[in-house]
Amino acid sequence: SYVLTQPPSVSVAPGWTARISCGGANIETKSVHWYQQKPGQAPMLVIYYDSDRPAGIPERFSGSNSGNTATLTISRVEAGDEADYYCQVWDSSNDPPYVFGTGTRVTVL
Amino acid sequence: QVQLVQSGAEVKKPGASVKVSCKASGYSFNSYGITWVRQAPGQGLEWMGWVNPDNGHTSYARKLQGRVTMTTDTSTRTAYMELRGLNSDDTAVYYCARSIAEFDYWGQGTLVTVSS
Repeated sequence: SYVLTQPPSVSVAPGWTARISCGGANIETKSVHWYQQKPGQAPMLVIYYDSDRPAGIPERFSGSNSGNTATLTISRVEAGDEADYYCQVWDSSNDPPYVFGTGTRVTVL
Repeated sequence: QVQLVQSGAEVKKPGASVKVSCKASGYSFNSYGITWVRQAPGQGLEWMGWVNPDNGHTSYARKLQGRVTMTTDTSTRTAYMELRGLNSDDTAVYYCARSIAEFDYWGQGTLVTVSS
Protein backbone atom coordinates (compact mmCIF):
# COMPACT_ATOMS: atom_id res chain seq x y z
CA SER A 1 0.00 0.00 0.00
CA TYR A 2 1.00 3.60 -0.54
CA VAL A 3 2.97 5.17 2.34
CA LEU A 4 3.15 8.85 3.30
CA THR A 5 5.98 9.83 5.64
CA GLN A 6 6.05 13.00 7.75
CA PRO A 7 8.56 14.23 10.34
CA PRO A 8 7.25 13.53 13.85
CA SER A 9 7.79 17.10 15.01
CA VAL A 10 8.61 20.62 13.86
CA SER A 11 9.40 23.48 16.21
CA VAL A 12 9.17 27.12 15.18
CA ALA A 13 9.31 30.52 16.87
CA PRO A 14 6.36 32.90 16.56
CA GLY A 15 6.55 34.97 13.40
CA TRP A 16 8.79 32.52 11.61
CA THR A 17 7.92 29.99 8.90
CA ALA A 18 7.12 26.31 9.49
CA ARG A 19 7.50 23.79 6.68
CA ILE A 20 6.02 20.32 7.04
CA SER A 21 7.01 17.67 4.51
CA CYS A 22 5.00 14.70 3.30
CA GLY A 23 7.02 12.14 1.39
CA GLY A 24 5.58 9.54 -0.97
CA ALA A 25 6.62 7.77 -4.16
CA ASN A 26 5.89 10.08 -7.12
CA ILE A 27 3.55 12.06 -4.90
CA GLU A 28 3.54 14.84 -7.48
CA THR A 29 1.19 12.64 -9.57
CA LYS A 30 -1.39 12.72 -6.79
CA SER A 31 -3.43 15.48 -5.18
CA VAL A 32 -2.44 16.12 -1.57
CA HIS A 33 -4.73 17.42 1.16
CA TRP A 34 -3.70 18.72 4.57
CA TYR A 35 -5.51 18.69 7.93
CA GLN A 36 -4.90 20.51 11.19
CA GLN A 37 -5.92 18.80 14.43
CA LYS A 38 -5.82 20.56 17.77
CA PRO A 39 -6.03 18.58 21.03
CA GLY A 40 -9.49 17.21 21.69
CA GLN A 41 -10.84 18.42 18.35
CA ALA A 42 -11.73 16.83 15.03
CA PRO A 43 -9.32 17.38 12.14
CA MET A 44 -9.93 20.40 9.93
CA LEU A 45 -9.07 20.73 6.24
CA VAL A 46 -6.55 23.53 5.69
CA ILE A 47 -5.25 22.79 2.17
CA TYR A 48 -6.83 20.74 -0.61
CA TYR A 49 -5.64 19.77 -4.08
CA ASP A 50 -2.04 20.58 -3.21
CA SER A 51 -2.44 24.33 -2.73
CA ASP A 52 -6.07 25.47 -2.48
CA ARG A 53 -7.38 26.95 0.76
CA PRO A 54 -10.93 26.37 2.03
CA ALA A 55 -12.93 29.43 2.95
CA GLY A 56 -11.79 30.87 6.27
CA ILE A 57 -8.27 29.46 6.19
CA PRO A 58 -5.69 32.26 6.44
CA GLU A 59 -3.40 33.00 3.51
CA ARG A 60 -0.51 32.15 5.84
CA PHE A 61 -1.23 28.52 5.00
CA SER A 62 0.06 27.36 1.62
CA GLY A 63 0.95 24.09 -0.07
CA SER A 64 3.14 22.72 -2.83
CA ASN A 65 3.80 19.34 -4.38
CA SER A 66 6.78 18.28 -6.46
CA GLY A 67 8.71 15.08 -7.09
CA ASN A 68 8.42 12.81 -4.08
CA THR A 69 7.56 15.50 -1.52
CA ALA A 70 4.55 17.66 -0.76
CA THR A 71 4.99 20.56 1.64
CA LEU A 72 2.66 22.52 3.89
CA THR A 73 4.04 25.96 4.70
CA ILE A 74 2.78 28.10 7.55
CA SER A 75 4.07 31.67 7.33
CA ARG A 76 4.19 34.13 10.22
CA VAL A 77 3.44 31.34 12.68
CA GLU A 78 1.14 32.15 15.58
CA ALA A 79 0.61 30.39 18.90
CA GLY A 80 -2.77 29.20 17.65
CA ASP A 81 -1.10 27.19 14.88
CA GLU A 82 0.25 24.70 17.41
CA ALA A 83 -1.36 21.42 16.42
CA ASP A 84 -0.89 18.09 14.67
CA TYR A 85 -0.87 18.20 10.89
CA TYR A 86 -1.66 15.30 8.55
CA CYS A 87 -1.29 14.96 4.80
CA GLN A 88 -3.66 12.72 2.84
CA VAL A 89 -4.01 11.44 -0.72
CA TRP A 90 -6.74 9.63 -2.64
CA ASP A 91 -6.10 7.21 -5.45
CA SER A 92 -8.89 4.90 -6.56
CA SER A 93 -6.36 2.44 -7.96
CA ASN A 94 -4.71 2.01 -4.56
CA ASP A 95 -5.74 -0.27 -1.70
CA PRO A 96 -6.65 1.47 0.51
CA PRO A 97 -7.83 4.32 -1.72
CA TYR A 98 -7.41 6.93 1.02
CA VAL A 99 -4.10 7.22 2.87
CA PHE A 100 -3.04 9.53 5.70
CA GLY A 101 0.47 10.61 6.52
CA THR A 102 2.04 9.73 9.86
CA GLY A 103 1.39 13.18 11.27
CA THR A 104 3.59 16.08 12.43
CA ARG A 105 3.33 17.88 15.76
CA VAL A 106 4.02 21.59 15.28
CA THR A 107 5.25 23.28 18.44
CA VAL A 108 5.39 27.06 18.68
CA LEU A 109 8.31 28.01 20.90
CA GLN B 1 -24.25 25.31 7.03
CA VAL B 2 -22.84 21.81 6.66
CA GLN B 3 -22.94 19.81 9.88
CA LEU B 4 -22.20 16.21 10.81
CA VAL B 5 -23.41 15.28 14.29
CA GLN B 6 -22.35 11.96 15.76
CA SER B 7 -23.83 9.81 18.50
CA GLY B 8 -22.44 9.77 22.01
CA ALA B 9 -19.62 7.89 23.68
CA GLU B 10 -19.87 4.13 24.12
CA VAL B 11 -18.30 1.62 26.50
CA LYS B 12 -18.28 -1.96 25.27
CA LYS B 13 -16.94 -5.29 26.46
CA PRO B 14 -14.55 -7.33 24.35
CA GLY B 15 -16.39 -9.32 21.71
CA ALA B 16 -19.34 -6.92 21.60
CA SER B 17 -20.47 -4.73 18.71
CA VAL B 18 -20.88 -0.96 18.45
CA LYS B 19 -22.92 1.12 16.01
CA VAL B 20 -22.07 4.81 15.64
CA SER B 21 -24.35 7.24 13.81
CA CYS B 22 -23.56 10.42 11.89
CA LYS B 23 -26.46 12.76 11.02
CA ALA B 24 -25.81 15.16 8.13
CA SER B 25 -27.43 18.51 7.42
CA GLY B 26 -26.88 21.55 5.24
CA TYR B 27 -26.06 19.83 1.94
CA SER B 28 -27.35 17.29 -0.57
CA PHE B 29 -26.72 14.04 1.34
CA ASN B 30 -26.67 11.84 -1.78
CA SER B 31 -24.02 13.96 -3.52
CA TYR B 32 -21.05 13.18 -1.25
CA GLY B 33 -19.53 10.07 0.25
CA ILE B 34 -19.23 9.50 3.97
CA THR B 35 -15.87 8.29 5.20
CA TRP B 36 -15.13 6.87 8.64
CA VAL B 37 -11.77 7.54 10.26
CA ARG B 38 -10.58 6.43 13.69
CA GLN B 39 -7.84 7.61 16.00
CA ALA B 40 -6.50 5.48 18.82
CA PRO B 41 -5.26 7.31 21.92
CA GLY B 42 -2.08 9.24 21.09
CA GLN B 43 -1.99 7.85 17.56
CA GLY B 44 -2.56 9.11 14.02
CA LEU B 45 -5.57 8.98 11.74
CA GLU B 46 -6.65 5.65 10.27
CA TRP B 47 -9.01 5.39 7.29
CA MET B 48 -11.65 2.75 7.99
CA GLY B 49 -13.88 2.89 4.95
CA TRP B 50 -16.33 4.80 2.80
CA VAL B 51 -19.97 4.57 1.84
CA ASN B 52 -21.80 6.19 -1.08
CA PRO B 53 -25.23 7.32 0.15
CA ASP B 54 -26.52 7.48 -3.42
CA ASN B 55 -26.18 3.76 -4.14
CA GLY B 56 -24.94 2.14 -0.92
CA HIS B 57 -21.59 1.12 -2.40
CA THR B 58 -18.86 0.63 0.18
CA SER B 59 -15.10 0.27 0.39
CA TYR B 60 -13.46 -0.97 3.59
CA ALA B 61 -9.92 -1.07 4.88
CA ARG B 62 -8.55 -4.55 4.37
CA LYS B 63 -7.74 -5.03 8.06
CA LEU B 64 -11.37 -4.40 9.04
CA GLN B 65 -13.12 -6.39 6.32
CA GLY B 66 -15.50 -8.90 7.83
CA ARG B 67 -15.90 -6.89 11.03
CA VAL B 68 -17.18 -3.53 9.77
CA THR B 69 -20.36 -2.49 7.98
CA MET B 70 -21.14 1.04 6.79
CA THR B 71 -24.65 2.00 5.78
CA THR B 72 -26.78 5.07 5.19
CA ASP B 73 -30.45 5.97 5.65
CA THR B 74 -31.26 8.66 3.10
CA SER B 75 -34.69 9.31 4.64
CA THR B 76 -33.04 10.55 7.84
CA ARG B 77 -29.75 11.71 6.23
CA THR B 78 -27.84 9.50 8.64
CA ALA B 79 -24.78 7.32 8.12
CA TYR B 80 -23.92 4.37 10.35
CA MET B 81 -20.75 2.47 11.13
CA GLU B 82 -21.02 -0.89 12.89
CA LEU B 83 -17.91 -2.66 14.18
CA ARG B 84 -18.19 -6.21 15.50
CA GLY B 85 -15.90 -8.43 17.54
CA LEU B 86 -14.46 -5.50 19.48
CA ASN B 87 -11.09 -5.79 21.20
CA SER B 88 -8.89 -3.38 23.12
CA ASP B 89 -7.19 -2.26 19.90
CA ASP B 90 -10.54 -0.81 18.78
CA THR B 91 -10.54 1.74 21.61
CA ALA B 92 -10.46 5.02 19.70
CA VAL B 93 -12.29 8.16 18.68
CA TYR B 94 -14.34 7.45 15.57
CA TYR B 95 -15.02 10.27 13.11
CA CYS B 96 -17.30 10.55 10.12
CA ALA B 97 -16.39 13.00 7.36
CA ARG B 98 -17.96 14.22 4.16
CA SER B 99 -15.74 13.06 1.37
CA ILE B 100 -14.84 13.29 -2.27
CA ALA B 101 -11.06 13.14 -2.66
CA GLU B 102 -10.67 15.23 0.47
CA PHE B 103 -12.59 15.35 3.75
CA ASP B 104 -14.00 18.83 4.01
CA TYR B 105 -16.39 18.51 6.95
CA TRP B 106 -16.02 16.26 9.99
CA GLY B 107 -18.22 15.09 12.80
CA GLN B 108 -17.23 15.88 16.37
CA GLY B 109 -16.05 12.34 17.04
CA THR B 110 -17.36 9.46 19.12
CA LEU B 111 -15.20 7.82 21.78
CA VAL B 112 -15.55 4.05 21.85
CA THR B 113 -13.90 2.37 24.81
CA VAL B 114 -13.47 -1.40 24.86
CA SER B 115 -12.91 -2.68 28.36
CA SER B 116 -13.77 -5.72 30.41
